[in-house]
Amino acid sequence: DSGVTQTPKHLITATGQRVTLRCSPRSGDLSVYWYQQSLDQGLQFLIQYYNGEERAKGNILERFSAQQFPDLHSELNLSSLELGDSALYFCASSVATSAYNEQFFGPGTRLTVL
Amino acid sequence: DAKTTQPTSMDCAEGRAANLPCNHSTISGNEYVYWYRQIHSQGPQYIIHGLKNNETNEMASLIITEDRKSSTLILPHATLRDTAVYYCIVTPSSGGYQKVTFGTGTKLQVIP
Repeated sequence: DSGVTQTPKHLITATGQRVTLRCSPRSGDLSVYWYQQSLDQGLQFLIQYYNGEERAKGNILERFSAQQFPDLHSELNLSSLELGDSALYFCASSVATSAYNEQFFGPGTRLTVL
Repeated sequence: DAKTTQPTSMDCAEGRAANLPCNHSTISGNEYVYWYRQIHSQGPQYIIHGLKNNETNEMASLIITEDRKSSTLILPHATLRDTAVYYCIVTPSSGGYQKVTFGTGTKLQVIP
């Protein structure tokens, strides 16, 4: 158990819909990262937040957005969903942002878009 | 960020050492080498990291060549539970702008 929690575990929805994925980081971790992993693909970095502020952006689509709240939990919002958005979405947390520290990953949310 | 190259897949007999290579020929002086693994769609798990010197922890050993252009992760006595995808990444130790890229990794199959 990494200490990072993600909800829900599974999500099934239809094209065009909007969903919200939630992540709670390990106690004391200020940085949260979101990744997407499509079938048989590597992990694609989406976005990083540190203490409520966006710090780094990867291959995140404009239909996707994220935020980190004062209690440090984070949400990833996916809208106008397409079939290709079906994937595992992982959240990770780490201690800081100025220096790379090992990331602790949650169990993931499996999104299926029908 | 430096790119890494890893073999797509490897097999290892149970109880033997698994040696997983990683090439990072464009690594910069301030970049660390990190290893993670992912067991069957679970969240990736941190294994070990290093800068120049060889490192060892309870999970594995990391051997980094003197020129730092490649490294090897060693699982000393592989078990069936070590069957996973292993990712080698390089990342700067500081800079404030963190964008860690995971490639497709090496799929290690431990065989009974």
